[in-house]
Amino acid sequence: DAKTTQPNSMESNEEEPVHLPCNHSTISGTDYIHWYRQLPSQGPEYVIHGLTSNVNNRMASLAIAEDRKSSTLILHRATLRDAAVYYCILRVGTGANNLFFGTGTRLTVIP
Amino acid sequence: DGGITQSPKYLFRKEGQNVTLSCEQNLNHDAMYWYRQDPGQGLRLIYYSQIVNDFQKGDIAEGYSVSREKKESFPLTVTSAQKNPTAFYLCASTMVYLATNEKLFFGSGTQLSVL
Repeated sequence: DAKTTQPNSMESNEEEPVHLPCNHSTISGTDYIHWYRQLPSQGPEYVIHGLTSNVNNRMASLAIAEDRKSSTLILHRATLRDAAVYYCILRVGTGANNLFFGTGTRLTVIP
Repeated sequence: DGGITQSPKYLFRKEGQNVTLSCEQNLNHDAMYWYRQDPGQGLRLIYYSQIVNDFQKGDIAEGYSVSREKKESFPLTVTSAQKNPTAFYLCASTMVYLATNEKLFFGSGTQLSVL
């Protein structure tokens, strides 16, 4: 199975940048890397996704290692509303279930 | 606004009872999914549907059933055969099934508890 490994928890000070790491050493060439976040008692929310190149959007940036075995989600200025569980997910090119969710990283933002 | 609506937000099941969780989307998406989330764990796939009148079992389908009679609706029934139903249930959709570069849209979830 394609899997991801993330730290269980991280802390950040408000208005500081946050780097959330993810390892995916079994990734294949056509697998996309997706990030979602989930607030308590809510469904996950899409953050960003990429294949090989670094990606930016209004929410975050995604830095993908050259060998694609790891990636980092970057929140440029953490706010209290960014406190959530962040999931790094591989969207695998084949198989009936191509969505592999791990346990995620719980981000705490300190005022 | 387009999105996915799950209801109810909270649901209680008595012993031996079947309960149905509603999921409706107005995104015109073909594919819909049901996930189960247990505390401190990731999401596990229960059932998915690629298109109307078609659905397949996911990793943990035992004790659950679904139907897909309309494109916008994908209800999940938790049957009495599911012995440990207490969990947070999430419905999701994508425009096309197995499109790896496409994002998932999730509902806000239903918390099911056993009385």
